[in-house]
Amino acid sequence: GAVVSQHPSWVICKSGTSVKIECRSLDFQATTMFWYRQFPKQSLMLMATSNEGSKATYEQGVEKDKFLINHASLTLSTLTVTSAHPEDSSFYICSARPDRNQPQHFGDGTRLSIL
Amino acid sequence: QKEVEQNSGPLSVPEGAIASLNCTYSDRGSQSFFWYRQYSGKSPELIMFIYSNGDKEDGRFTAQLNKASQYVSLLIRDSQPSDSATYLCAVNAGGTSYGKLTFGQGTILTVHP
Repeated sequence: GAVVSQHPSWVICKSGTSVKIECRSLDFQATTMFWYRQFPKQSLMLMATSNEGSKATYEQGVEKDKFLINHASLTLSTLTVTSAHPEDSSFYICSARPDRNQPQHFGDGTRLSIL
Repeated sequence: QKEVEQNSGPLSVPEGAIASLNCTYSDRGSQSFFWYRQYSGKSPELIMFIYSNGDKEDGRFTAQLNKASQYVSLLIRDSQPSDSATYLCAVNAGGTSYGKLTFGQGTILTVHP
């Protein structure tokens, strides 16, 4: 149980392109999902908390206009990287949990490369 | 500032030995504690979680928590080469930050045959 699916696994695109990443909870409903970013040889950094039916909560230093989050249903959250630039290249990972007292389970991650 | 600290390693142990991974945290209000394993190029995978002081065992893995010392550890018995990975300690904050995980920088474990 507690399977989280993330799509796509890899994205390579040109600078200035917008990229959408999907995160789905497959066997449970998630009112809250989390988006992380991980640079090479570094740990996970929380970018934002995605809340179903309301605005996402962004961590300090994360540009909300650049990283658009939409949590339109109890099983789907999307992260759109707008006007992506090479410095946005990273490993983006989402997570979700069945309820607030359960551990977070991670999707497989999306490796984003901006040329 | 809320922090989670781990020895980055690398920690190298021979096959069959016990690997001991340690983590300290700064926020006394932290509620729950997790160990994730991350293979190179992959996303983290939950290994253990612990909420109460003491030991929790699951197969070859034992998590230990000491809230008074703000210390959590993971023991891996009978280490196997397949255990070679980065181990991330994560802490679930309390209060208004409940539910958010703060990760340590990870400990690289290498189990050699």
